[in-house]
Amino acid sequence: EAGVTQFPSHSVIEKGQTVTLRCDPISGHDNLYWYRRVMGKEIKFLLHFVKESKQDESGMPNNRFLAERTGGTYSTLKVQPAELEDSGVYFCASSRQAYHHIQYFGAGTRLSVL
Amino acid sequence: KNEVEQSPQNLTAQEGEFITINCSYSVGISALHWLQQHPGGGIVSLFMLSSGKKKHGRLIATINIQEKHSSLHITASHPRDSAVYICAVRYRGSTLGRLYFGRGTQLTVWP
Repeated sequence: EAGVTQFPSHSVIEKGQTVTLRCDPISGHDNLYWYRRVMGKEIKFLLHFVKESKQDESGMPNNRFLAERTGGTYSTLKVQPAELEDSGVYFCASSRQAYHHIQYFGAGTRLSVL
Repeated sequence: KNEVEQSPQNLTAQEGEFITINCSYSVGISALHWLQQHPGGGIVSLFMLSSGKKKHGRLIATINIQEKHSSLHITASHPRDSAVYICAVRYRGSTLGRLYFGRGTQLTVWP
């Protein structure tokens, strides 16, 4: 069984540019989460999809961030326009159920905004 | 507000030593996770606990719900155990899967 895959593994962009991160969850996992780790801080929740619906997007920092999960399969997280403070590692995780189930994490996408 | 505290922040040990990493939280939880991240690698789930104790190989995780505290122990530590260990909780009453994380403990085991 393939794990959670994220693409790209590393992205370097200039301030003001747009970047799209992609996450492919484990097949059959309805729940998909985006998290972010900013340098020196703890990992923080961004949002949670159940299938194609946004169950909880309370962690999204502002309207420059747009997440989608069309068809309930893979998800994309777009940052437009990127700012310096968006730099960090973006993790995706998936689980079969939301409650009391292990979340399986991807390797993360390291975003550097210059 | 994040109320998941881990200690120590950094830990250095000699191969073979017994390691303990601590995690405390401030409000009731439904589950606590211990995660591992190797340098340049993804995050791997080690344990999910809601009570008692779990063991997997040389790793043992315990949780005291009344004390709001969990520990991760590594027996006979090995250089390959060098990684960041992260504690994360799901708060009680939440039907959602959102996790709240500690800042992690950087463990380095020297041969």
